[in-house]
Amino acid sequence: KQEVTQIPAALSVPEGENLVLNCSFTDSAIYNLQWFRQDPGKGLTSLLLIQSSQREQTSGRLNASLDKSSGRSTLYIAASQPGDSATYLCAGDTSGTYKYIFGTGTRLKVLA
Amino acid sequence: SAVISQKPSRDICQRGTSLTIQCQVDSQVTMMFWYRQQPGQSLTLIATANQGSEATYESGFVIDKFPISRPNLTFSTLTVSNMSPEDSSIYLCSVVILRETQYFGPGTRLLVL
Repeated sequence: KQEVTQIPAALSVPEGENLVLNCSFTDSAIYNLQWFRQDPGKGLTSLLLIQSSQREQTSGRLNASLDKSSGRSTLYIAASQPGDSATYLCAGDTSGTYKYIFGTGTRLKVLA
Repeated sequence: SAVISQKPSRDICQRGTSLTIQCQVDSQVTMMFWYRQQPGQSLTLIATANQGSEATYESGFVIDKFPISRPNLTFSTLTVSNMSPEDSSIYLCSVVILRETQYFGPGTRLLVL
């Protein structure tokens, strides 16, 4: 059974720090991978999508990479801001059917 | 992108009753899914809502408990039947469009007493 682990589970940092969030799949067969943020009491917002033919995506201060050989993805957040405080979830399509399996999440708090 | 709405946004229900959740998308989409997020947990896929045919359920979820309808390409409903407190969760619908990006609705927060 595919399982997705995110490390760290929680993180509290001062404003301005560069951050690395990790996501690891037990089965390295991944077609597409997405990173989401979830704010308390709200739905999910898509941040970055790495498609099957890609290895990396960037949007503003965010950069996500995927190493298919190891089944690991990293989300890099540059110059963190208090507005980045949220839970970050990675999700992978491991069957090519767009059925995503979600990670356990990283709760991020950026202190002003 | 896609704009997805869900009704109701939240509800408090009594044990043994049923609740139907609606999901409306502002454009026609092929792929539509229902997820559950239990308190303090991540998301778990319940089923794929298929237009014009029976939904495809994931392991651990059955049609009698979570009947799903998908009458067209913009609308779906999920019913949580014969509810128990263990069904207290956030229920989210999602769609996959445009280069395989997945978009989520705002969720329905259900509390079963």
